[in-house]
Amino acid sequence: RKEVEQDPGPFNVPEGATVAFNCTYSNSASQSFFWYRQDCRKEPKLLMSVYSSGNEDGRFTAQLNRASQYISLLIRDSKLSDSATYLCVVLNYNQGGKLIFGQGTELSVKP
Amino acid sequence: DTAVSQTPKYLVTQMGNDKSIKCEQNLGHDTMYWYKQDSKKFLKIMFSYNNKELIINETVPNRFSPKSPDKAHLNLHINSLELGDSAVYFCASSPQGGNTEAFFGQGTRLTVV
Repeated sequence: RKEVEQDPGPFNVPEGATVAFNCTYSNSASQSFFWYRQDCRKEPKLLMSVYSSGNEDGRFTAQLNRASQYISLLIRDSKLSDSATYLCVVLNYNQGGKLIFGQGTELSVKP
Repeated sequence: DTAVSQTPKYLVTQMGNDKSIKCEQNLGHDTMYWYKQDSKKFLKIMFSYNNKELIINETVPNRFSPKSPDKAHLNLHINSLELGDSAVYFCASSPQGGNTEAFFGQGTRLTVV
């Protein structure tokens, strides 16, 4: 079983749609959680950290459920520029501060 | 100014050759990483260095040898290249072992023919 699992997609949605991505992680000792975004043939970049209480950044909302070991990302009012791969990332301090990436969920927003 | 820079961006080489990828960060971070992204887009950590010391060494063939001459540089040398080494290699850095944002270089697309 992969340490961080995501639905690879692709998710094809029209502009203005709301789309949700899910992620599960296997190590209950994981301490920090992130969503990264990777555009085609580019490097990953931090989209947002994920906090236990849930957090929002504009059209993006991240949620964490430690009991279920589940992380989510909600994108409201999708824009064409949101088309990218979204990577769920987990940090384990007891593994030397290792960032573990899910395989990513591909999003394509169409006009 | 590029925060994390890798060279070269593209590398095409024959099987059996030895090649190096260089990485430099000007962010003053203590921790640097090498990640490999294969054809299925899966990003997997290879090595992590903290202040020039090796912290993480995943189950990577010993043909791969990282070298950190100082905390701003982490180079990757690969001996006896194989077809399966073809991938995109990303260097990254973070201030505190990853618990804050990790910044990635633009990647090195290695093709072994």
